[in-house]
Amino acid sequence: EIVLTQSPGTLSLSPGERATLSCRASQSVSSSSLAWYQQKPGQAPRLLIYGASSRATGIPDRFSGSGSGTDFTLTITRLEPEDFAVYYCQQYGSSPRTFGQGTKVEIK
Amino acid sequence: EVQLVDSGGGLVQPGGSLRLSCAASGFTFSAYWMNWVRQAPGKGLEWVANIKEDGSEKYYVDSVKGRFTISRDNGKNSLFLQMNSLRAEDTAIYYCARGYTYHIYWGQGTLVTVSS
Repeated sequence: EIVLTQSPGTLSLSPGERATLSCRASQSVSSSSLAWYQQKPGQAPRLLIYGASSRATGIPDRFSGSGSGTDFTLTITRLEPEDFAVYYCQQYGSSPRTFGQGTKVEIK
Repeated sequence: EVQLVDSGGGLVQPGGSLRLSCAASGFTFSAYWMNWVRQAPGKGLEWVANIKEDGSEKYYVDSVKGRFTISRDNGKNSLFLQMNSLRAEDTAIYYCARGYTYHIYWGQGTLVTVSS
């Protein structure tokens, strides 16, 4: 099983600042099969990024993903008020599918 | 519009059973793998099980093998999760989600509480 470790656990930032979230895999994720999700309280997760760097439909271009192998990054260039949430990475290159433990982006 | 509506959650005693349902609409249900993903209170996401388009392949996370059964009825556009021998650690919101790889569409979730 591939273990995904996200860091930091919590990121305290102000609107307009840049957020950089990390997801590290215990072994190489095949074919960059990594996705990022955003989850707000009381809501289901929302897909942001798939294939490590492809934005899902309707996702603003301030969200970008990068990385390959075992190291992946989600960057939010300028935080908007609606971006404060919990973010999860997920690998789907091998079974079982696994998620990271999440990074909370909170208002400073 | 794609919709997934989860139902069937509730309070159950340890050792009990529950059957969750996910009603799908707005897409060709029989053309997609389907999944159950759960989230314990205040915790992260955990993939639980998935099932192939025709139901011929099913996979489970180790912690539920032998206790949970995923199934589908393509004629009724529905996904199910039969949960037996429930434990306190199965307490979570259960979401159905579409797709073999990443998940664009999710249900709203149904809460399962295992407690005496």
